Amino acid sequence: AQSVTQPDIHITVSEGASLELRCNYSYGATPYLFWYVQSPGQGLQLLLKYFSGDTLVQGIKGFEAEFKRSQSSFNLRKPSVHWSDAAEYFCAVGAGSGGGADGLTFGKGTHLIIQP
Amino acid sequence: GAGVSQSPSNKVTEKGKDVELRCDPISGHTALYWYRQSLGQGLEFLIYFQGNSAPDKSGLPSDRFSAERTGGSVSTLTIQRTQQEDSAVYLCASRGRGAEADTQYFGPGTRLTVL
Repeated sequence: AQSVTQPDIHITVSEGASLELRCNYSYGATPYLFWYVQSPGQGLQLLLKYFSGDTLVQGIKGFEAEFKRSQSSFNLRKPSVHWSDAAEYFCAVGAGSGGGADGLTFGKGTHLIIQP
Repeated sequence: GAGVSQSPSNKVTEKGKDVELRCDPISGHTALYWYRQSLGQGLEFLIYFQGNSAPDKSGLPSDRFSAERTGGSVSTLTIQRTQQEDSAVYLCASRGRGAEADTQYFGPGTRLTVL
């Protein structure tokens, strides 16, 4: 069965500092990987996705993620965070490009706190 | 364009009552998903609809949960005889075809509180 681990429940970063959120996955085939962000009271917004090709993918809001097959990781990065980045971040894996018939499997999420 | 919409945004009910949650997918999207987000379990996949095909109900947490999709568009998730452990945010997502076939777009969710 597929699974996603986000080891950090909370992360606190100073505004302007760099950010890396960790994600490890377990999946038997080629994974389709996603990062979503959820602000309080909001639904999930897609930041970026990886299906194949270049292992460094660019997303919205200045985020990027790097797929490392050897480490089963898909870590999310941003060079300089803004206070508006404070939110919950979810990594997800799916079968097929859109999650297929089994939906997406999500990690537990990482709560990002931005210090002024 | 309009995104996925869900109603109501909040629902408070008493234990034992039935509730209906509605999802309007993005126009033209053929695939629709329901998820449940709770503190203890995180985000769980519940059920998937592809067009008008009968869904696989094996992901539903109990037989008190049912879902339907009328005309391949609007979907309703029904919970009968609600229990306190049903309290959660219920999220709906839709996925399109072609260039939009690889991404699920989520609605804002319905927060269900069972007293």
